[in-house]
Amino acid sequence: EIVLTQSPDFQSVTPGEKVTITCRASQNIGFTLHWYQQKPDQSPRLLIKFASQSFSGVPSRFSGSGSGTEFTLTINSLEAEDAATYYCHQSSSLPHSFGGGTKVEIK
Amino acid sequence: QVQLQESGPGQVKPSQTLSLSCTVSGGSISSGDLYWSWIRQYPGKGLEWIAYIYNNERPYYNPSLKSRVTISVDASDTQFSLRLSSVTAADTAVYYCATYDDGAFHIWGQGTLVAVSS
Repeated sequence: EIVLTQSPDFQSVTPGEKVTITCRASQNIGFTLHWYQQKPDQSPRLLIKFASQSFSGVPSRFSGSGSGTEFTLTINSLEAEDAATYYCHQSSSLPHSFGGGTKVEIK
Repeated sequence: QVQLQESGPGQVKPSQTLSLSCTVSGGSISSGDLYWSWIRQYPGKGLEWIAYIYNNERPYYNPSLKSRVTISVDASDTQFSLRLSSVTAADTAVYYCATYDDGAFHIWGQGTLVAVSS
């Protein structure tokens, strides 16, 4: 099973600042890495597919990059509505697996 | 636009079988090119993929649960189901149904909390 390790676990950020979240895979997964946002008491929402492809309706301040074993989710100019937990997910091989999540809090 | 809604008991006794259904609205299970999935989320964050099934054909299971899990599509073609046998407290989680398409889980239900407790 492919293990995904996210860092940091928690980040407290001022609105307008840039947020960077890292996801490391235990083996090479190419570009098969996806990012989700989960707000309190809501279901996860797909943000980014295949490392860098923005999903429909996602604000342009969200972007993804990386390949192989290291990936990054960036939120440019954080807004209050971005307070959430962010998860990475790999679809390179079964079983699908998720990172442990990064909680972003607004200062 | 497809929407999903989970249903089932909120509490199951240890050693019993957990049964959940997911109702699909805005489409039918056999009409699209989607995998119909179950994912759970433990209290305090972690997400775990359980299983999915494509068009009522071969199911795919997480090996960690394979001996206890069955996923199936109902004859109505608008519901799919999850059965998890021999549950313990470790199976307490929010259970989501979701669609899997082109590598990612696109559409999620709102989730249903299942507590395993006597």
